[in-house]
Amino acid sequence: DADVTQTPRNRITKTGKRIMLECSQTKGHDRMYWYRQDPGLGLRLIYYSFDVKDINKGEISDGYSVSRQAQAKFSLSLESAIPNQTALYFCATSDSRGMNTEAFFGQGTRLTVV
Amino acid sequence: GQQLNQSPQSMFIQEGEDVSMNCTSSSIFNTWLWYKQEPGEGPVLLIALYKAGELTSNGRLTAQFGITRKDSFLNISASIPSDVGIYFCAGLRNYGQNFVFGPGTRLSVLP
Repeated sequence: DADVTQTPRNRITKTGKRIMLECSQTKGHDRMYWYRQDPGLGLRLIYYSFDVKDINKGEISDGYSVSRQAQAKFSLSLESAIPNQTALYFCATSDSRGMNTEAFFGQGTRLTVV
Repeated sequence: GQQLNQSPQSMFIQEGEDVSMNCTSSSIFNTWLWYKQEPGEGPVLLIALYKAGELTSNGRLTAQFGITRKDSFLNISASIPSDVGIYFCAGLRNYGQNFVFGPGTRLSVLP
C-alpha cells in the first residue's frame, strides 16, 4: 500500500463546480504539501502545512483552499473550478523531526476542468 | 518561480549508454534530492545528498552534491529501457523552509 494516498486519481469536472482532492498518509510525517504540475513547468507549491491547523500559502494559492484537520490528512479544494486549473496535482509529506529532510509524493490526481 | 535549472531539458540515448544530467542554482542549498517520475505516477525519491562534495550511489545511479553547494549531478550508468522518465532535482536551503524543484530532464532510452 502507498504511504501517501491521493483520491481520486482522475477527475473531470465542470467549470464553476466545487471539488475536493484528498490526501492521506501513513508515514507519520508532520509536514504536508500540495503541488501542481503542468507540462514544462515542473512542480509548483500551492499550499503547505507544518502541523495540524497550520496553513501556509505557496506560490500559486489563488483559487485554492486547504484543510488540515488531522496530521494524516490534508485536503485541497477548488471553490469554483476553472479550465486553467486543469493539471496534475500531487500531495507530498516530509518529516521535520529527523536529521534529514526528504519529500515523499502521492501518485497524483489528474484533474480536468471542462 | 523556479530557482533551479536543469540540463539538458531532454535527452535521447541508446540502451547501454551512460547518462549525465545536472541541476544548478544561483543560491546555496544544504540538501539536494533527485527524483524520478514515470508517466501517470508521482515522483519517487532516488538519492538524497546532505553534505557538500558527497557522492552517493543507488544501484546504477550516482549523484553528487557540488562543493559550491549551488549544483548537483546525477549519472546513470548502462541505461536500460525502464530508466525512461522525467528526472527532477530538488533543493532545500534550511530547516523550516520549503523544497525548490527544477523543471526536470526528460530521458528517453532507445533500444
